[in-house]
Amino acid sequence: TQLLEQSPQFLSIQEGENLTVYCNSSSVFSSLQWYRQEPGEGPVLLVTVVTGGEVKKLKRLTFQFGDARKDSSLHITAAQPGDTGLYLCAGVYNQGGKLIFGQGTELSVKP
Amino acid sequence: GAGVSQTPSNKVTEKGKYVELRCDPISGHTALYWYRQSLGQGPEFLIYFQGTGAADDSGLPNDRFFAVRPEGSVSTLKIQRTERGDSAVYLCASSLGLGGEQYFGPGTRLTVT
Repeated sequence: TQLLEQSPQFLSIQEGENLTVYCNSSSVFSSLQWYRQEPGEGPVLLVTVVTGGEVKKLKRLTFQFGDARKDSSLHITAAQPGDTGLYLCAGVYNQGGKLIFGQGTELSVKP
Repeated sequence: GAGVSQTPSNKVTEKGKYVELRCDPISGHTALYWYRQSLGQGPEFLIYFQGTGAADDSGLPNDRFFAVRPEGSVSTLKIQRTERGDSAVYLCASSLGLGGEQYFGPGTRLTVT
């Protein structure tokens, strides 16, 4: 069974602080995705990383894929209350698109 | 345009009953996925369809769970003899083709009492 472990599971910080969320696996994925989910809604795709060592930036969010394509990180700079939500990493298992999700990181940013 | 819709949004049923959960994908999307999300967890893959056929049903937990997509559009997830452990949010997603970006619906919250 492929397993994606996310850490930390919960994070509560003040507005303006920086944070990093980690996603680790013993398996190699063809690509890895990060999602954000708000209560009562489905996950929404933020980014897909494909190449080992790849770094992608989305405004204040920086995503990195490990060289061996087994791990990834999400770094948020100067967090804002609007960043509050559940962040999920997901490994793309095969060409069919089956996603294997981590357990998620619940982020709370207080003003 | 309209996103993925799921009905009902909430379903409460008694242990042992049969339930059907419906998913309407984005128009033109050929691939459709079902996931289950328990409280405090990430979504867990159940099954996906390409067109009318189930391409991968390896995530269905047991034979009480079954899903169909008879015309290649709307899909129904069917659960027989529900158990309290089936309580979760059932998410549906669709994509333009296999491996494409998945767009998720809001989910159906199933509670088995």
